[in-house]
Amino acid sequence: DVQMTQSPSSLSASVGDRVTITCRSSQVISTYLAWYQQKPGKVPKLLIYSASTLQSGVPTRFSGSGSGTDFTLTISSLQPEDVGTYYCQNHNSAPLSFGGGTKVEIK
Amino acid sequence: QVQLVQSGAEVKQPGASVTVSCKASGYAFRTYDINWVRQAPGQGLEWMGWVSPDSGNTGYAQKFQGRVTMTRSTSTNTAYMEVTSLRSDDTAVYYCARGLIILGAADAFDIWGQGTLVTVSS
Repeated sequence: DVQMTQSPSSLSASVGDRVTITCRSSQVISTYLAWYQQKPGKVPKLLIYSASTLQSGVPTRFSGSGSGTDFTLTISSLQPEDVGTYYCQNHNSAPLSFGGGTKVEIK
Repeated sequence: QVQLVQSGAEVKQPGASVTVSCKASGYAFRTYDINWVRQAPGQGLEWMGWVSPDSGNTGYAQKFQGRVTMTRSTSTNTAYMEVTSLRSDDTAVYYCARGLIILGAADAFDIWGQGTLVTVSS
């Protein structure tokens, strides 16, 4: 099974900062990597799939990159509404798997 | 609008079973797989498995094989997940999620139900 490892586990940044979250898979998963945002007490929301495809309606300050085993989610200019936990997910093949999450806070 | 609406919270004793339902509306139910994901209190997301509303085919994470059954009713556009032999560590919010169709790949999840809290306690 593919294991997903995210770093950092938490971060604190100022409004307007560029924020980067990384995700590493234990096996090659091509570009089949998704990113989700979960705000406190809310349902997860799909941000990006296939490593870099922005889901409809998601602000363009979010972007994704990577292939193989190493992936990155970037928030180009952090906004107060971006506070929450971000998860990566392998969607190459079953069994699907999530990373442990990265909690993003405002400094 | 496209949505998945889940059944309400449950409290169960250890050893009991629970069934969570997930009713789809606003789209062609048969077209998209339904996945189930759970989240224990304060923890991350854990994928449990999927069911094809069209064929009824299923796939489960190895951890849940033999203890979880996913089914669907095409007459009511509803997916179901049954978990048996409940333990305290099954206490979690259980989500159903629609599988986004991505050519050549497995599912990312574009529509989520609101979640169902299942509490296992004596």
